[in-house]
Amino acid sequence: EIVLTQSPGTLSLSPGERATLSCRASASVSSRYIAWYQQRPGQAPRLLIYAGANRATGIPDRFSGSGSGTDFTLTISRLEPEDVAVYYCQKYGSSPIFTFGPGTKVDIK
Amino acid sequence: EVQLLESGGDLVQPGGSLRLSCAASGFTFNNFAIHWVRQAPGKGLEWVSGISYSGSSTYYADSVKGRFTISRDNSRNTLSLHLSSLRAEDTAIYYCAKGGEELQFLSLYMDVWGKGTTVTVSS
Repeated sequence: EIVLTQSPGTLSLSPGERATLSCRASASVSSRYIAWYQQRPGQAPRLLIYAGANRATGIPDRFSGSGSGTDFTLTISRLEPEDVAVYYCQKYGSSPIFTFGPGTKVDIK
Repeated sequence: EVQLLESGGDLVQPGGSLRLSCAASGFTFNNFAIHWVRQAPGKGLEWVSGISYSGSSTYYADSVKGRFTISRDNSRNTLSLHLSSLRAEDTAIYYCAKGGEELQFLSLYMDVWGKGTTVTVSS
């Protein structure tokens, strides 16, 4: 079973700064199988990125996804107050069907 | 507007049973796989179960296999999850989530999520 690790655990930045969130897989994964979700406090998760680099409908272009092999990155180019959330990466696989990383919490200084 | 609305969450004793429902609207329900994902208090996301768009195939996490049963009624645009032999560790918010790709067996990601329903297992 491929395990996902996310770093850092918590990221505290000022508005306008760039946030770089890492998702590392324990074995190589096709970027087609990687998605990223945002979960704001008290809300359900929301799809941000699918197939490694494609923004979901309605997602601002300050969010971008990249990576290949075992290393994947979610970048928020200019942090805004509404970006305070926990961000999860997800992998599609065979068993289990979906695996989530432990999440990265993004705070505003 | 695409919407998913979960219901059925409750407080139940260990060993008990419960049925969760998810009502879908705003899309062609029988063209998309649907999944259940749960989140224990203060914890991350855990995929629980999924069903193909036709309902012909079902999948479960090892943690719930043999205890939970997923089903769908494409004529009523509803998804169900029957939970049995419940344990304290099943306590969580249960979300239903729509597969992102039409007519794909299970889809590679989930593009719309409901607000969730809370299951508490405690004596």
